[in-house]
Amino acid sequence: EVQLVESGGGLVKPGGSLRLSCAASGFSFSSYSMNWVRQAPGKGLEWVSSISSSSSYIYYADSVQGRFTISRDNAKNSLYLQMNSLRAEDTAVYYCARDKSRGNYLPIGYWGQGTLVTVSS
Amino acid sequence: IQLTQSPSFLSASVGDRVTITCRASQGISSYLAWYQQKPGKAPELLIYPSSSLQSGVPSRFSGSGSGTDFTLTISSLQPEDFATYYCQQLNTYPRTFGQGTKVEIK
Repeated sequence: EVQLVESGGGLVKPGGSLRLSCAASGFSFSSYSMNWVRQAPGKGLEWVSSISSSSSYIYYADSVQGRFTISRDNAKNSLYLQMNSLRAEDTAVYYCARDKSRGNYLPIGYWGQGTLVTVSS
Repeated sequence: IQLTQSPSFLSASVGDRVTITCRASQGISSYLAWYQQKPGKAPELLIYPSSSLQSGVPSRFSGSGSGTDFTLTISSLQPEDFATYYCQQLNTYPRTFGQGTKVEIK
């Protein structure tokens, strides 16, 4: 069974930093592209970042480019999101998500339960 | 690529036929997915590519379209279908979502 478990969320002041982690199990982690998607309270889904299976390709939303860094450790079956220079508008539930299968142009097939990041003074 | 869903909110009764549209600001071939999200839960994939029902999704759901105009149809709305629906384009990065369509009980 595919499992994605996020951790690292919490309350942080504007301008601060936070590192999210996602522990993956139940599949060959090193074979799949991974994603972070966020959802502000009461709002819609926003794609944040994607990373290919070998970390060769990395993409970011314009809203986080230059502030967030996605990475992965295939030996530890883990995905990370380093978030710097946080702003109030980064407040959201952050989901770790796996592509449905291996390949290109694929949607998200599996989601974690999400971790809440609150940016407030 | 911008995705515009309509309507943003829909009030319907059990048994109604419901149609949600998603318009892309430029052509995305059939690289469009539909997700369903219930309160407090992660989204679930319903349809991808634009007209292919995912395994386990009830046949009352269907999708159509290519290029810039897409639709999600629920042929006979069931109580468990009251949720928010999102489209997402997979053609290029950033992989934008539509703003969502909330389907509520009339």
